[in-house]
Amino acid sequence: DAMVIQNPRYQVTQFGKPVTLSCSQTLNHNVMYWYQQKSSQAPKLLFHYYDKDFNNEADTPDNFQSRRPNTSFCFLDIRSPGLGDAAMYLCATSRDTPGVLQAEAFFGQGTRLTVV
Amino acid sequence: DAKTTQPNSMESNEEEPVHLPCNHSTISGTDYIHWYRQLPSQGPEYVIHGLTSNVNNRMASLAIAEDRKSSTLILHRATLRDAAVYYCIPTVSGNTPLVFGKGTRLSVIA
Repeated sequence: DAMVIQNPRYQVTQFGKPVTLSCSQTLNHNVMYWYQQKSSQAPKLLFHYYDKDFNNEADTPDNFQSRRPNTSFCFLDIRSPGLGDAAMYLCATSRDTPGVLQAEAFFGQGTRLTVV
Repeated sequence: DAKTTQPNSMESNEEEPVHLPCNHSTISGTDYIHWYRQLPSQGPEYVIHGLTSNVNNRMASLAIAEDRKSSTLILHRATLRDAAVYYCIPTVSGNTPLVFGKGTRLSVIA
């Protein structure tokens, strides 16, 4: 059974039209991450939530926002998608404790975003 | 973050062992070495991790150099399903997120 679920698998949006990608988890993990992966590139961390604390990467554009209403769900909002935002968006979770080994991260299958 | 160097691509015949190298010469004493892989059209998945000693699990073995400046992921018998991009990722303890390098694209030939 899938433990990190991303919906939809494929999303087409219009240039400039806000779009929201969703991620849910059944693992009760306290950390959730969003990565962007463009074609033939490695996943790039956008931001993550450690419990309710939001951590934004310094080079993540302001166009990208995130919400985590509860432990199980996390959303990625792209306020005004541009053609350059077309990519695979990956959600991941882990259970982390300060001072303890980075636990195994579990990834969803991703949402492939197309901007037209 | 410790820098890593991996070959861009490697090729293996099916049923043969594969040794995937990773250099991480700037690794600190408390950094663990994680390996993840990403199958085509999938999210990354955990393979193995270690600190100093060699490690084995059902998927692979991890051999860590004595000076910890490099490590090798060993797939004992490559199958077609092992074709993927393999990422070597040093991580510190705690809540440091995974930072992916370019990885090695492994092709397996039948």
